[in-house]
Amino acid sequence: AQSVTQLDSQVPVFEEAPVELRCNYSSSVSVYLFWYVQYPNQGLQLLLKYLSGSTLVKGINGFEAEFNKSQTSFHLRKPSVHISDTAEYFCAVTSKTSGSRLTFGEGTQLTVNP
Amino acid sequence: DVKVTQSSRYLVKRTGEKVFLECVQDMDHENMFWYRQDPGLGLRLIYFSYDVKMKEKGDIPEGYSVSREKKERFSLILESASTNQTSMYLCATLGAAVRTEAFFGQGTRLTVV
Repeated sequence: AQSVTQLDSQVPVFEEAPVELRCNYSSSVSVYLFWYVQYPNQGLQLLLKYLSGSTLVKGINGFEAEFNKSQTSFHLRKPSVHISDTAEYFCAVTSKTSGSRLTFGEGTQLTVNP
Repeated sequence: DVKVTQSSRYLVKRTGEKVFLECVQDMDHENMFWYRQDPGLGLRLIYFSYDVKMKEKGDIPEGYSVSREKKERFSLILESASTNQTSMYLCATLGAAVRTEAFFGQGTRLTVV
């Protein structure tokens, strides 16, 4: 069985500060990993994804994430956040087998304060 | 443009009613999912389907069933709605090929009174 744990439910930061949102996963097979963002009253939007290859993945809006197989982690980072980054962020995992489920974490609420 | 369409944005139903939530996709994706989203609990998987007429239970299937008679349509059924099923319901699709990503509908806010 696969699972995702987002280690922080809420992350408050000041504008222009760096941020890291942590995600750990468990799976017995090779995985695909995703970060999604949900702005208030909107649907989920893909930020970035890891499928294979380079472990450092760049996404939209200046976000990036690093896949670490040995630590089974996929942490999301941004060097300098803006007020507009305030949103809920979800980490998700699916496997490369057919008929595979797509499992999400509990979400991390990022609040950027002026 | 990718489209995952959920039949209703808002629904209000009475306790004990049978409720149908419909999801239609135009991506020709094999996999389709139903989640419910509740504050602090993230997205919890109710059911998913990886092919027509194929379904798998997710993490919280109790009180729900699903139907997938055609590839593009995946229905979530609440057999007898209860107040603890008041939630936001999200449908998603995911292709089976490499370099895929999941696409979501806009969600259905269901209130059971």
